[in-house]
Amino acid sequence: AQTVTQSQPEMSVQEAETVTLSCTYDTSESDYYLFWYKQPPSRQMILVIRQEAYKQQNATENRFSVNFQKAAKSFSLKISDSQLGDAAMYFCAYRRTVRGAQKLVFGQGTRLTINP
Amino acid sequence: EAQVTQNPRYLITVTGKKLTVTCSQNMNHEYMSWYRQDPGLGLRQIYYSMNVEVTDKGDVPEGYKVSRKEKRNFPLILESPSPNQTSLYFCATLPWGSEGRSNTEAFFGQGTRLTVV
Repeated sequence: AQTVTQSQPEMSVQEAETVTLSCTYDTSESDYYLFWYKQPPSRQMILVIRQEAYKQQNATENRFSVNFQKAAKSFSLKISDSQLGDAAMYFCAYRRTVRGAQKLVFGQGTRLTINP
Repeated sequence: EAQVTQNPRYLITVTGKKLTVTCSQNMNHEYMSWYRQDPGLGLRQIYYSMNVEVTDKGDVPEGYKVSRKEKRNFPLILESPSPNQTSLYFCATLPWGSEGRSNTEAFFGQGTRLTVV
């Protein structure tokens, strides 16, 4: 079974600093996709960044970037120049398709606090 | 505007009183799914549906039912709710990406906060 593990229940960072959220996953597949979602207090699920496993280049979206280590099954999220609006729960997720069936598996979440 | 709409957003009910949480999407996506979110556990899949009249169990299906009679709607039914079903529930659709790859993100409803007393 696929599992996704976020080992940091809570993280905090000073505004304008950089923070890295960790995520590891377990799979025997070679073709899959990884995502980071942000959940602010409004409970809305917002896509932050995605990574295709077949791509070696790490994905980047403005201040957000990932460190994708396929062999280590690691997918960490780096937030640069942290802003107060980055405070939220962050979920790492793994997605693949097997015989037409979709599977989207989430980690436990990391609550990020930004200190002004 | 692409939307997944859940209702209600908040619900307090008593043990054993049947309830339905509705989910509707306007994107014509075939795949829909229900998740529950609990502290320290993340989001866990309850049921999913690959198309009309095609549903299957996720990881935590006990105590829940679903139906998919039309493409746009995927209601979650709790026949006899219990306090351990107090949770935050999300409906989501997963569209296919380009070239049939599953590289697109999921679309989520606004969430339903359910409390069973």
